[in-house]
Amino acid sequence: GAVVSQHPSWVICKSGTSVKIECRSLDFQATTMFWYRQFPKQSLMLMATSNEGSKATYEQGVEKDKFLINHASLTLSTLTVTSAHPEDSSFYICSATVDSNQPQHFGDGTRLSIL
Amino acid sequence: GDSVTQMEGPVTLSEEAFLTINCTYTATGYPSLFWYVQYPGEGLQLLLKATKADDKGSNKGFEATYRKETTSFHLEKGSVQVSDSAVYFCALISGGSYIPTFGRGTSLIVHP
Repeated sequence: GAVVSQHPSWVICKSGTSVKIECRSLDFQATTMFWYRQFPKQSLMLMATSNEGSKATYEQGVEKDKFLINHASLTLSTLTVTSAHPEDSSFYICSATVDSNQPQHFGDGTRLSIL
Repeated sequence: GDSVTQMEGPVTLSEEAFLTINCTYTATGYPSLFWYVQYPGEGLQLLLKATKADDKGSNKGFEATYRKETTSFHLEKGSVQVSDSAVYFCALISGGSYIPTFGRGTSLIVHP
């Protein structure tokens, strides 16, 4: 149980393109979803926390207009990287949790490469 | 603030060797402690957890004991396999937060 599906797993696109990444909880309702960014050989950096039906809470230094997060239902959150540039290339990982007393369940990540 | 310190990698071992990956933490109160594993190109998977002092988390032959006196949660496995090659992250959640604080990760490479 507690499966989180992330799609797509790999994206290569031209600079200036907007890219949408989906994160779905397949067998549970996620009250909260998280978006992380991971640089090579680095730990995860929390970008934002999203609760269903409300605006996402962004971490300091993360541009909310650059990284648009929508959490329209209890099973789906999306991250849109707007007008992506090569410096946005990274591994993006989402996670979801039922409530604050339970561990987060992670998606398999999305490798984003901007040419 | 909370922090997690892991030993730097990579840790390189031969198959069937004994594994220890050190993890120490700083936190207010009594955090819950976790080990996550990340296989190449994948997201993180929860490996094991412990929620109070002296608890031992175990899974797939890995184990870690919550040591409050030394603020440590070292990961151990008696006999590693090539398939254990991955990056291992120690993490904690403290207080009422549901956002984990991660260590930097330790890469494990197991040779046949």
